[in-house]
Amino acid sequence: GENVEQHPSTLSVQEGDSAVIKCTYSDSASNYFPWYKQELGKGPQLIIDIRSNVGEKKDQRIAVTLNKTAKHFSLHITETQPEDSAVYFCAASTGGFKTIFGAGTRLFVKA
Amino acid sequence: NAGVTQTPKFQVLKTGQSMTLQCAQDMNHEYMSWYRQDPGMGLRLIHYSVGAGITDQGEVPNGYNVSRSTTEDFPLRLLSAAPSQTSVYFCASRAGEHGYTFGSGTRLTVV
Repeated sequence: GENVEQHPSTLSVQEGDSAVIKCTYSDSASNYFPWYKQELGKGPQLIIDIRSNVGEKKDQRIAVTLNKTAKHFSLHITETQPEDSAVYFCAASTGGFKTIFGAGTRLFVKA
Repeated sequence: NAGVTQTPKFQVLKTGQSMTLQCAQDMNHEYMSWYRQDPGMGLRLIHYSVGAGITDQGEVPNGYNVSRSTTEDFPLRLLSAAPSQTSVYFCASRAGEHGYTFGSGTRLTVV
């Protein structure tokens, strides 16, 4: 079946450094790619998304890139801060109801 | 707006008991879904609904029932609780091709 692979499962960076999380999807019909941030004890929160007709999108310190040919998409966080520490999930959607989530990346930002 | 409201936040059940997890949204979203989150497995879709009166199974539906009598409410029923249903449950809603808004979750333990 369709799946989304996410790497790495754990990422530790120094405050101020950049963090990159990568995802690969299998369903070529996927056309919408959201990213969620989950803080401890809370539900996931949408932080940025990208659609299949766009290769890159940026919002302040976060950016997403999409390579449809390779079925890869990535989250880039620059100038990381301790409050960026959380679990990040990528997801791929074909439209309608179906959204497949990656297994998550636990990001630690060391002060 | 309250967003997506889930109750209860915590629940302990004995094997074989039944219960209903409540979910309500006040954003007039047509799509609603139930996910379970287990360590290392990301978010897995249990059941979803694309509108009042319409529900369907997701990836892991066994042992759960849902109904959608109104746009706002989407309860999840555990028919006969099993230890394998120990998990964190998230209800989520969205409008069209946008990201999900998640509730704060219900942490369920089955003993």
